[in-house]
Amino acid sequence: DTAVSQTPKYLVTQMGNDKSIKCEQNLGHDTMYWYKQDSKKFLKIMFSYNNKELIINETVPNRFSPKSPDKAHLNLHINSLELGDSAVYFCASSRGQPSTDTQYFGPGTRLTVL
Amino acid sequence: QQQVKQSPQSLIVQKGGISIINCAYENTAFDYFPWYQQFPGKGPALLIAIRPDVSEKKEGRFTISFNKSAKQFSLHIMDSQPGDSATYFCAASLHFGNEKLTFGTGTRLTIIP
Repeated sequence: DTAVSQTPKYLVTQMGNDKSIKCEQNLGHDTMYWYKQDSKKFLKIMFSYNNKELIINETVPNRFSPKSPDKAHLNLHINSLELGDSAVYFCASSRGQPSTDTQYFGPGTRLTVL
Repeated sequence: QQQVKQSPQSLIVQKGGISIINCAYENTAFDYFPWYQQFPGKGPALLIAIRPDVSEKKEGRFTISFNKSAKQFSLHIMDSQPGDSATYFCAASLHFGNEKLTFGTGTRLTIIP
């Protein structure tokens, strides 16, 4: 019954590795997002997709690549992981517009890069 | 232009008291102002939101006060309870299309007995 789910919940990996985080929503929403929350709790949008089309692409290193196979899924692949990538990554979804529709967040994936 | 400044960074309030968190924005074109609540280990969740055509919105113990001329808005939690202990984020956006939601820096609220 989980509305927005993410896997894995925890991810511990070495610097230089490549990893992926998966996200699925069962709300029938058209728009999905990836946010990064750092150790100070700052919440910053990274990407947003609407019906599999990229609509928001913030200034994020190109080591981060989102992929939306269908509108219910948005995965995040990270190449050549760095220490500074350690954070909690949240997936979210909304019915339509990023600007005003309620965003529903997943439980987060805590990434630790050693 | 896109910043939302939030204060205080942390707040401790006694049970039954009023918790007040303030936000200020710079972009006068912003016209949607939500507040999100985040419990430890969970994702943020929408708490309450306001548009600038009203100066106040109340939902239960939670009230948003909005001052358009000062470009400020605040969250008031009346009769604060230990279950309200969480991190609160204000946010703002432009009301069209694919504009992003810009979040404030967050306020960690602790309600003590």
